[in-house]
Formats: sequence, C-alpha cells, structure tokens
Amino acid sequence: GAGVSQSPRYKVAKRGQDVALRCDPISGHVSLFWYQQALGQGPEFLTYFQNEAQLDKSGLPSDRFFAERPEGSVSTLKIQRTQQEDSAVYLCASSLSRGQPQHFGDGTRLSIL
Amino acid sequence: AQKITQTQPGMFVQEKEAVTLDCTYDTSDQSYGLFWYKQPSSGEMIFLIYQGSYDEQNATEGRYSLNFQKARKSANLVISASQLGDSAMYFCAMRENTGFQKLVFGTGTRLLVSP
Repeated sequence: GAGVSQSPRYKVAKRGQDVALRCDPISGHVSLFWYQQALGQGPEFLTYFQNEAQLDKSGLPSDRFFAERPEGSVSTLKIQRTQQEDSAVYLCASSLSRGQPQHFGDGTRLSIL
Repeated sequence: AQKITQTQPGMFVQEKEAVTLDCTYDTSDQSYGLFWYKQPSSGEMIFLIYQGSYDEQNATEGRYSLNFQKARKSANLVISASQLGDSAMYFCAMRENTGFQKLVFGTGTRLLVSP
C-alpha cells in the first residue's frame, strides 16, 4: 500500500533493554512526526523532521529517546534503557509539505515488562 | 499554549442517526488548523476533516461536517447517517500554523453505533 508503514506492530521488551521502532513514510513526504499515545489518552508530540533535519525534539521525554532520519525517508525512534513508563503506542505521521494534513501509520505498541 | 478539550468520554448512537462530538480549543494564535481523526481498534489514526481558522464556511467531507464556531472556540464533528463501522475513538486536534506544525490532541471520544 501507499500509506505510512510502521514496524514492528508489537514489541515486548524487558526493562533496561534498548528498542528501535521504524517508520516508512509515504513516498515524497517531506515532513515526519513521531507521537506517543499512552493508554486512554490522545497522542502527544515527540519530535519532527523536515527531510533529514530534526527541527523539533521538544517532546522527547528524556535523553533515553533518540530519533533519526538520515536520508530524509525512513525514520527510526530508539529508546535506550527502557522503563515501564515507556509502554505506549508510538505513532508516526508524514505530510507532503508544511500545511498539508498528517497521515498516520498503524503504530507500534510497546510493552515494557 | 494550545489546548484541546473533549468532554464526552463516550457517546452512543443508533445506526442511521446523526451524532455530534464536541471539541473546544484554546489558543492565542490567530492562524491555526483544526482536525478530526478516527482511530479504530486497529490503532491507525485516520484523517477525517480539516477546518482552517480563516475559513468562513464549515468544512464538509461526505457524511462528516465540522461545526466551526470561532467566537466560542468550538469545532464539533457531526456524523450524519451513522454506520456500524463508525464505532471508534474520535480525536480532535489543533495545529499551529507557525513553527513546525505539530498536532495537539484532545483525550478523545469513544463512539459506539448500535444496530
């Protein structure tokens, strides 16, 4: 399909492990956003890329969270030394350009044991 | 700071009836965008409808319409002729038109459509 693709769909990790979540945006989309959605809540902004440049990382909750988009296409969100409070759905969204609606992937459901 | 408030945790509607989901917002910006997204149990956020702060007419997309009352800072979603497949979580969101245009979401309303 031509939508935003995220992998894995589900990830279970033990506390203290590192995890990496992948996002394949819609081809040609310049803007890429990561959001975190806790159970029963609306998504909350984590970080924003315009092409390969990370222009806003104000929503990253701690320095354990790191995101990259080295070639301006696929993005990876990495969480180091995971904690139980990191358990959430991580949503990726892309938009064609500034001002266009954001299109979301199915998300990665992360559970930290 | 921007804030979205959705006061209805859950709503029930019968098939073929219309339903209104409430959304109020708070911002000091003059230029902003308002969105509604649908999130089925599968987890994907599906874009439904958009209203710009300077749009004079209410947005419509098929069975979805947005009742935009700027002075009251409300942006309610109206779904006409509800279908069983409309059962899902619905999120109202605001986008700042300055800066990097992240979305700020409300807490959502769970809609259940009954036969």
